[in-house]
Amino acid sequence: KAGVTQTPRYLIKTRGQQVTLSCSPISGHRSVSWYQQTPGQGLQFLFEYFSETQRNKGNFPGRFSGRQFSNSRSEMNVSTLELGDSALYLCASSFSPADRYGYTFGSGTRLTVV
Amino acid sequence: KQEVTQIPAALSVPEGENLVLNCSFTDSAIYNLQWFRQDPGKGLTSLLLIQSSQREQTSGRLNASLDKSSGRSTLYIAASQPGDSATYLCAVRPISGSARQLTFGSGTQLTVLP
Repeated sequence: KAGVTQTPRYLIKTRGQQVTLSCSPISGHRSVSWYQQTPGQGLQFLFEYFSETQRNKGNFPGRFSGRQFSNSRSEMNVSTLELGDSALYLCASSFSPADRYGYTFGSGTRLTVV
Repeated sequence: KQEVTQIPAALSVPEGENLVLNCSFTDSAIYNLQWFRQDPGKGLTSLLLIQSSQREQTSGRLNASLDKSSGRSTLYIAASQPGDSATYLCAVRPISGSARQLTFGSGTQLTVLP
């Protein structure tokens, strides 16, 4: 079966612009989580969605937002981009937030802000 | 707040050697622990998932153990191969509460020399 699909794979944006990243979970998975990975901070949790509701949010500014659609696909949006937002953004899916089978990650979107 | 530490940060071994990667966590109230592999610029590939009630899991040449009481997990790789070269990350998930996202260690970068 298809894995977690993230689009686009690469993005280059200018400081001050906004960007939208997309994540399609594994079929049947209803929980989607987003993580930011940078060399300095490692993997940091952004937010988690389940059944179109945000269940949990990490310690990121309000410029970072997300949503989940009825088909479980999720998008995250970053407004007013800063150079420090350059990172690999990873999406993970699971059946539910209490899923005992763990998370499956996508290949990520590499965002570069110039 | 849960903290996850992985030692060593980098490891270089000759092909064929058996090796152990270490992961320690500060809060033993975990739901499960997951080991991932990450190739440069790529997403995370799940290797092994250990539930809190389990002591170990095995998959091929990989064996992961969990000692919740001491806050430790190890990933044992038998007969290492150059294709095992990657960064290995461990992540823990809390047992309860609203903040049930994964907390990651900073990873061990493994190089297997031919």
